Amino acid sequence: QQQVKQSPQSLIVQKGGISIINCAYENTAFDYFPWYQQFPGKGPALLIAIRPDVSEKKEGRFTISFNKSAKQFSLHIMDSQPGDSATYFCAASVPGGSNYKLTFGKGTLLTVNP
Amino acid sequence: GAVVSQHPSRVICKSGTSVKIECRSLDFQATTMFWYRQFPKQSLMLMATSNEGSKATYEQGVEKDKFLINHASLTLSTLTVTSAHPEDSSFYICSARPSYLAVLKNEQYFGPGTRLTVT
Repeated sequence: QQQVKQSPQSLIVQKGGISIINCAYENTAFDYFPWYQQFPGKGPALLIAIRPDVSEKKEGRFTISFNKSAKQFSLHIMDSQPGDSATYFCAASVPGGSNYKLTFGKGTLLTVNP
Repeated sequence: GAVVSQHPSRVICKSGTSVKIECRSLDFQATTMFWYRQFPKQSLMLMATSNEGSKATYEQGVEKDKFLINHASLTLSTLTVTSAHPEDSSFYICSARPSYLAVLKNEQYFGPGTRLTVT
């Protein structure tokens, strides 16, 4: 049972456009929702994270929107740049539970064309 | 801050031999570290949770006798792949949760990964 469903699997955006990646979760005990960015051959890097007490969090060109009732959250990348081309993973975890394990989505390969 | 290193970055070993991968938190202490395995174009698969001073907790289906994990200090965890076989070839990544985080906070920082090739 996949607890975090991520879509789309791949995404192509033109430079300057908005990239939107969506995730849906099932476990209502999830309390922490990070997004990670991974370049080929590298480890994932924490991009931005949100907790369910807020509906939106913005850091530079990256914004997380969170809809608790729909059990969905999304990553928006404004003014997308070719350097943003990477695989993005959403994740979720239960607060303090199970030794802080993260449950990951399957990832979205983002390509930003120049 | 929050830098995690892994060594080696790449390793090639012969079938039947063992290989050790180190994961270090460079500028913070980490009571809890995690080991993941990632196949090409796939997501991260959690193998085990490593807690300093105690035995690792392995995910279902992960052979604890094959993937030995030691978390002997607050800045170092090691993964030893014993009697490696070609099917163990993969990208192994560790992450670390800073000890200074409040109990309900869960930020994890990942290492750069280790590419293991078993011939």
